[in-house]
Amino acid sequence: QQQVKQSPQSLIVQKGGIPIINCAYENTAFDYFPWYQQFPGKGPALLIAIRPDVSEKKEGRFTISFNKSAKQFSLHIMDSQPGDSATYFCAASGGTGNQFYFGTGTSLTVIP
Amino acid sequence: DAGITQSPRHKVTETGTPVTLRCHQTENHRYMYWYRQDPGHGLRLIHYSYGVKDTDKGEVSDGYSVSRSKTEDFLLTLESATSSQTSVYFCAISAGQRTIYEQYFGPGTRLTVT
Repeated sequence: QQQVKQSPQSLIVQKGGIPIINCAYENTAFDYFPWYQQFPGKGPALLIAIRPDVSEKKEGRFTISFNKSAKQFSLHIMDSQPGDSATYFCAASGGTGNQFYFGTGTSLTVIP
Repeated sequence: DAGITQSPRHKVTETGTPVTLRCHQTENHRYMYWYRQDPGHGLRLIHYSYGVKDTDKGEVSDGYSVSRSKTEDFLLTLESATSSQTSVYFCAISAGQRTIYEQYFGPGTRLTVT
């Protein structure tokens, strides 16, 4: 059973566009929601994270929107650049366990 | 890279042989994790450790064992490798003041079981 569901599987946008990647979860005990960026041949790198006490967090061109009642969160990339082309993973953790649960990833391509 | 190294970086082995992957960290973090990454599945937790000799299973632990005799090293062993264990394996550490917080990943080990 997938604890965190991520969509879309792949995404192609033009440079300057705003790709949006969505994730949904079921476990209301989750209290930490990070996003990771992964380039080919590299390990995932922590990009930005949010806790459920806020509805939005911005770091540079990256924004997380969080909807606690809907149990959904999303990543927005403002003014996307070809260098943002990578695979993005959402994740969730919290509750009594010490585990992170990852989405299946979104392959983003930004066309110049 | 949070001071995480993995060895080997690439390995090809035959079905039925034991394989050990090593994760080494230099910053004395308490929590360490082993994941496997496969297309369409994202990252799935195999085992994790919350201290020396303290380990627990993740969602895909069958066929794997781990050991942590020192804070800095976390070993993943495939007891008898199978083709289904062909994957990219990532080690991660959890760095932060809470029980779990920011998680940082190593560079990965690509394992091929023939």
